[in-house]
Amino acid sequence: QKEVEQNSGPLSVPEGAIASLNCTYSDRVSQSFFWYRQYSGKSPELIMSIYSNGDKEDGRFTAQLNKASQYVSLLIRDSQPSDSATYLCAPKAGGTSYGKLTFGQGTILTVHP
Amino acid sequence: NAGVTQTPKFQVLKTGQSMTLQCAQDMNHNSMYWYRQDPGMGLRLIYYSASEGTTDKGEVPNGYNVSRLNKREFSLRLESAAPSQTSVYFCASSAESYEQYFGPGTRLTVT
Repeated sequence: QKEVEQNSGPLSVPEGAIASLNCTYSDRVSQSFFWYRQYSGKSPELIMSIYSNGDKEDGRFTAQLNKASQYVSLLIRDSQPSDSATYLCAPKAGGTSYGKLTFGQGTILTVHP
Repeated sequence: NAGVTQTPKFQVLKTGQSMTLQCAQDMNHNSMYWYRQDPGMGLRLIYYSASEGTTDKGEVPNGYNVSRLNKREFSLRLESAAPSQTSVYFCASSAESYEQYFGPGTRLTVT
């Protein structure tokens, strides 16, 4: 089993729709979770962090965390063509005193006009 | 603030040559990281430095060395480059929140 699993996609949604990106992780003691967006040829950009079970909203983005199910998701409302990118899920490894993140392979999102 | 900067942006090396990738951050972060990103492999941690004066191996340290020169700077050295080290290299830094911020990357080709 991979440490972090994401559907590679591509996930294609029409402009204005909700894009739902999912991630499961194997480290049961992970406490911090991050979503990064990476445009082609660019570096990863942090877009959301979540530490507690439940939902966290920031603008058009909502992160959802369920530690019992070892599941974290990212919803993008009112999707725009500029949201087309690869989205990386990254739990922080549990039990370490530094910020070691384990990155998933990423989900490619395409938003078509 | 520039955030995390990396030099060079592009580099082509011949097998056996050496080079140092430079990284600096101006966010006063304690921790710094070096990753490589390859198609189908995702981001993999090469080395990290939890704080000034300390460095430790990540998942794929073979063929690399690092130096944490001071709180701002963390360099990655390839002593004898191999074609398998052709990759995109990213430096990142983080504070106590563990949120990592990435530099623009170095695209390295070893022929």
